[in-house]
Amino acid sequence: DAKTTQPPSMDCAEGRAANLPCNHSTISGNEYVYWYRQIHSQGPQYIIHGLKNNETNEMASLIITEDRKSSTLILPHATLRDTAVYYCIVKSNFGNEKLTFGTGTRLTIIP
Amino acid sequence: GAVVSQHPSWVICKSGTSVKIECRSLDFQATTMFWYRQFPKQSLMLMATSNEGSKATYEQGVEKDKFLINHASLTLSTLTVTSAHPEDSSFYICSARPGGLFEQYFGPGTRLTVT
Repeated sequence: DAKTTQPPSMDCAEGRAANLPCNHSTISGNEYVYWYRQIHSQGPQYIIHGLKNNETNEMASLIITEDRKSSTLILPHATLRDTAVYYCIVKSNFGNEKLTFGTGTRLTIIP
Repeated sequence: GAVVSQHPSWVICKSGTSVKIECRSLDFQATTMFWYRQFPKQSLMLMATSNEGSKATYEQGVEKDKFLINHASLTLSTLTVTSAHPEDSSFYICSARPGGLFEQYFGPGTRLTVT
């Protein structure tokens, strides 16, 4: 898997958009960008994934740069329940390739 | 949809005993299930991958005779920690992948404390 680089921590005010960056400069053409989050003492929760186009679902938006070397996860209106560790993971969807978790970004939503 | 459960949610056992943790996919069939371990303030580490009806594939450094994995059906995988020691105390998390899809859905985790 290509490695990812994320800031270790970020704060965001409640109600504002939270923008979480991820660098994946060695991503290869068949690798997707996945985002998961883990609220304290719970299992990770899938958020969104994409290949090259921007994606949006009910939880978040994913913006992938044209060269695919970085991406940004956007939580449009952060709430206190969005406080969690956010993991950006790149992996191929071929075969049984595994999800490998890095250290992620600890996002704290400030009231 | 795509709910994964784990049982128990927490367990305390004495050193030397064995503990079994169950992972179930409640509303889908999981051809592949994964087991992770997470120590405090650390990230998730993959322990093993199991496909229904076949032997699990263990990650380097994970003792297969200590962490027994059984994936006997498309909705159930079990992890048995044999002869548990205090250093096995950790948060164990399973995930399941529906057949034909690429997303993994995670269980809520099981906190094991070995005294």
